[in-house]
Amino acid sequence: DVKVTQSSRYLVKRTGEKVFLECVQDMDHENMFWYRQDPGLGLRLIYFSYDVKMKEKGDIPEGYSVSREKKERFSLILESASTNQTSMYLCASRGESRGEETQYFGPGTRLLVL
Amino acid sequence: QKEVEQNSGPLSVPEGAIASLNCTYSDRGSQSFFWYRQYSGKSPELIMFIYSNGDKEDGRFTAQLNKASQYVSLLIRDSQPSDSATYLCAAEARGYQKVTFGTGTKLQVIP
Repeated sequence: DVKVTQSSRYLVKRTGEKVFLECVQDMDHENMFWYRQDPGLGLRLIYFSYDVKMKEKGDIPEGYSVSREKKERFSLILESASTNQTSMYLCASRGESRGEETQYFGPGTRLLVL
Repeated sequence: QKEVEQNSGPLSVPEGAIASLNCTYSDRGSQSFFWYRQYSGKSPELIMFIYSNGDKEDGRFTAQLNKASQYVSLLIRDSQPSDSATYLCAAEARGYQKVTFGTGTKLQVIP
């Protein structure tokens, strides 16, 4: 019953490292999203993609980039990790199933930047 | 700044009671609204989606939308201890996939 998977549950990186977070969905959804979730701030949208090779900035894109080379895979890249990027990162995919809106989140990646 | 506001709680209700969770939003262009349930240490799970004024029911859950008042609510009937979680409200502008989330209301159902 796997729907959205993320490459890592926990990551520890050093300041300045390049970090790749991968997300894969098996529902043939066109829309995929990267969020970060921080206490007191809730879920904030970093980037989303509505098709292969298409991407749109969310509310907090600074310091991040994304890649969507295949429909099922959406990657988040931290070009040079900083301590303020320590967070829980959640990937989601969204589409329609039997006429109803559906969205599934992955299990999340808890990233610690030292 | 488009905002979605929720009371952080915790909201405590006895088992079997109706839990009422409320949400207001500032962007009048918002057209679609979502309720998610998030258990501690887990990722959010979509439980309701609503875009028309009025009520939408799914099992023990009812979402209510009032666009004139910019107000969305979620009612949980016959609350169970397993409903104890944080409930996130979210709003999306029409034709635009940017979804803005509230910070969530923590619900505690007391056995």
